[in-house]
Order: sequence, then structure tokens, then C-alpha cells
Amino acid sequence: DVKVTQSSRYLVKRTGEKVFLECVQDMDHENMFWYRQDPGLGLRLIYFSYDVKMKEKGDIPEGYSVSREKKERFSLILESASTNQTSMYLCASGTSGTTGELFFGEGSRLTVL
Amino acid sequence: AQSVTQPDIHITVSEGASLELRCNYSYGATPYLFWYVQSPGQGLQLLLKYFSGDTLVQGIKGFEAEFKRSQSSFNLRKPSVHWSDAAEYFCAVGPSTASKLTFGTGTRLQVTL
Repeated sequence: DVKVTQSSRYLVKRTGEKVFLECVQDMDHENMFWYRQDPGLGLRLIYFSYDVKMKEKGDIPEGYSVSREKKERFSLILESASTNQTSMYLCASGTSGTTGELFFGEGSRLTVL
Repeated sequence: AQSVTQPDIHITVSEGASLELRCNYSYGATPYLFWYVQSPGQGLQLLLKYFSGDTLVQGIKGFEAEFKRSQSSFNLRKPSVHWSDAAEYFCAVGPSTASKLTFGTGTRLQVTL
């Protein structure tokens, strides 16, 4: 089975702290994504990557950065966490093509106090 | 810009009753369309996808969806709902299968016994 693993299911951080959310996939997928999920807003794309060391901004990149040094790992970084970044963060990976699909991790729920 | 509208925030159906979840999309080219399901505490799982061919597509768990280009719709249906179908359902649109998808705000399904 494809597995997308998000290292932390629940995190509590303080305003101003630097936060790392890690995502690892085990299926050699080229494409990886970070989404943020909020009630009533659905999923919104933060950043994505179609290759190692490549990154592109999604719809809501402000306050976030990413790193993809290895194909299987895609990290989301909050340089200085703020309370409005309290949310559920979902990582996804996949390979394009007619038989492709996105596989999602179980999510990381971040609370910023 | 691509967008997805799910007009129903919350739907309640009785077990055994039929279900239809609505999805309207806006997309400049031929869209790839998806339905995902999210059970409590879980990531998203792909139910079905459409990108060409027969406009009625079958998915997992007995779900199907019909693509209607003239109405820009991709509604999800199930003839007989089971209590285990209670979850949140997301419609999404994108340029290919494992690419940057735009999600709707979701419809939460409650099933009464």
C-alpha cells in the first residue's frame, strides 16, 4: 500500500516559534503537495513540488516555505508561527498520468498559542 | 482561474436511502474531476475520477458520478447509503491526475439509522 507519513499528528507551538512539518512518501512519486484544511474553507494549496529541489507557490504561500532535498521527503516550514496558522495540514503525493492519483497523509493538526 | 462549488455544507440521509452530492466547477480547459472522502481523523481517499470517455464513472464503495459539461457539474451518487458512509466529501478539479487540485469546501454527510 502507498503510504504518506506525516511525522506529527498533533503539535502545539507558541507564537513566533519556527515549526517544521515533515512528510515522507514511500512510492517514488515525483509530485508532492502541502494543503491546509480549515472548516468551511475546504483544502487550500500552500506549496507544491514536481521534482527534487523544485518548489512552486500555491494559492496561500504567505508565511510558509518548503524544502525538498530528497524525492521522498517534503517539508513545510513556518518561519515564525502565528495564531492564524492554527489549522490542519495535509500532505499529498502522486504521479501524473491517466492512472495517477493523489495519496494523502492523515494530517498534522497544529495549534499556535 | 479554476474553482469548485459544493453548495451543500451538511446533508443528512437515512441508511438505505439514495444520496446525491452536488458539485459545480469552473475550469478553462478540459478538466480532470475528482471526488474524495475523508473519514474522521483520516486523510483523504480517492472515490473516483473523470477525465474523458464515458460521462458516468464508477468508483469505490458503490459510488458513481456523472459529468455534465453543459451544466459544469460532477455530482456524486449512491443508490443506498450505509452508516459507514458518514464522512466529509470533497469535489476537486485540476489539470491532470496528480497535479495541483482545487478543492471545494466539502459536504458533511450524516447517516441516520
